[in-house]
Amino acid sequence: QVTLKESGPGILQPSQTLSLTCSFSGFLLSASSVGVGWIRQPSGKGLEWLATIGWENVKHYNPSLKSRLTISKDTSNNEVFLKITSVDTADTGTYYCAHSVLARGYFDYWGQGVMVTVSS
Amino acid sequence: DIVLTQSPALAVSLGQRATISCRASQSVSISRYNLLHWYQQKPGQQPKLLIYRASNLASGIPARFSGSGSGTDFTLTINPVQADDIATYYCQQSRESPGTFGAGTKLELK
Repeated sequence: QVTLKESGPGILQPSQTLSLTCSFSGFLLSASSVGVGWIRQPSGKGLEWLATIGWENVKHYNPSLKSRLTISKDTSNNEVFLKITSVDTADTGTYYCAHSVLARGYFDYWGQGVMVTVSS
Repeated sequence: DIVLTQSPALAVSLGQRATISCRASQSVSISRYNLLHWYQQKPGQQPKLLIYRASNLASGIPARFSGSGSGTDFTLTINPVQADDIATYYCQQSRESPGTFGAGTKLELK
């Protein structure tokens, strides 16, 4: 059974760095073609893909946010991390991590999401 | 970026057919693969994959959900609509990076 769970700071101040962790089970990120992505959703709004990391440590970023994003993984502990630098109120929302098979391009298992609020 | 356009809302009666559309700003098909996927999201929950590559039902999804389309025009059909289907539906393309989502269509009861 594939499960993913996000964790984060809850609230942080503008200009700080947001650090998120995705802990997963039921699959190996070392397996061929497997990836984990991050997608966010401002309250009451739509979905925005942020970044994906693959089994070979290949990383893909949304170009609109690339300068602020860093995705990484700890394969041995089944974790994926996302850092977003210089946050502001526009980064407030729910952040999801999700499993994908890279060649297919869709996300077939999602975590429950973690709410992040950026406020002074 | 490829822009996916969805109608904001659709009102339907229980037991009737619902047809939700998604139009892409450019083709999202490669050869025989239509790289357009559909998700369902209920309030307070994470998105759930319904349909992948335009017409393939994801695991565990009821057969009243179906998808069709190619190129730039795609449709998600729910027939018949049940009360549990009241949710927001998003399309997503994986033809080009970044993989963009539509703004979502909120399915409402008449």
